[in-house]
Amino acid sequence: DVKVTQSSRYLVKRTGEKVFLECVQDMDHENMFWYRQDPGLGLRLIYFSYDVKMKEKGDIPEGYSVSREKKERFSLILESASTNQTSMYLCASSRQNSYEQYFGPGTRLTVT
Amino acid sequence: AQKVTQAQTEISVVEKEDVTLDCVYETRDTTYYLFWYKQPPSGELVFLIRRNSFDEQNEISGRYSWNFQKSTSSFNFTITASQVVDSAVYFCALAPNTGFQKLVFGTGTRLLVSP
Repeated sequence: DVKVTQSSRYLVKRTGEKVFLECVQDMDHENMFWYRQDPGLGLRLIYFSYDVKMKEKGDIPEGYSVSREKKERFSLILESASTNQTSMYLCASSRQNSYEQYFGPGTRLTVT
Repeated sequence: AQKVTQAQTEISVVEKEDVTLDCVYETRDTTYYLFWYKQPPSGELVFLIRRNSFDEQNEISGRYSWNFQKSTSSFNFTITASQVVDSAVYFCALAPNTGFQKLVFGTGTRLLVSP
């Protein structure tokens, strides 16, 4: 089975803190994605990566950065967390020429 | 611009009822893919189906069926004889022909099936 794991299911951070969300996939997928999910807004793409050290901005990259030093790991970084970044964050991966994305269980981040 | 609209925010049915989830999309691409994902209470999105824009045949998988109509830009999902385990949020998504396999998601429809 394809497995996408995220480092935490629940996370509480304070405004201004630097936050790292980690995602690991075990199927040697080339593509990895970070989304945030908010009520009434569905899933919105923050960043994606199609190869190690490569990254592309999604629809809402402001306030976020990413890192992909190894193929299996894709990190989402909130440089200075703000309350409007309170959300559910979902990581996904897919093979190079496949549109089928496999999702992790999500991290519910609360910024106070 | 690419857009997916799921006008039904929440649907409640009683077990064994049939239910249809609507999905309307907008794209200027001639080639694209459409998807349905299920998000159960555990949170992990589960892939259900992918359709190519060239293939308008309806598809049936057990109690699930999908109706793709290019003329109305719709890709509706029907669950026959619903069960409590079908309770979840369902997302329709569109993959534009950009080459990076990016998905554009609708806002989701929450389905609640009561016993």
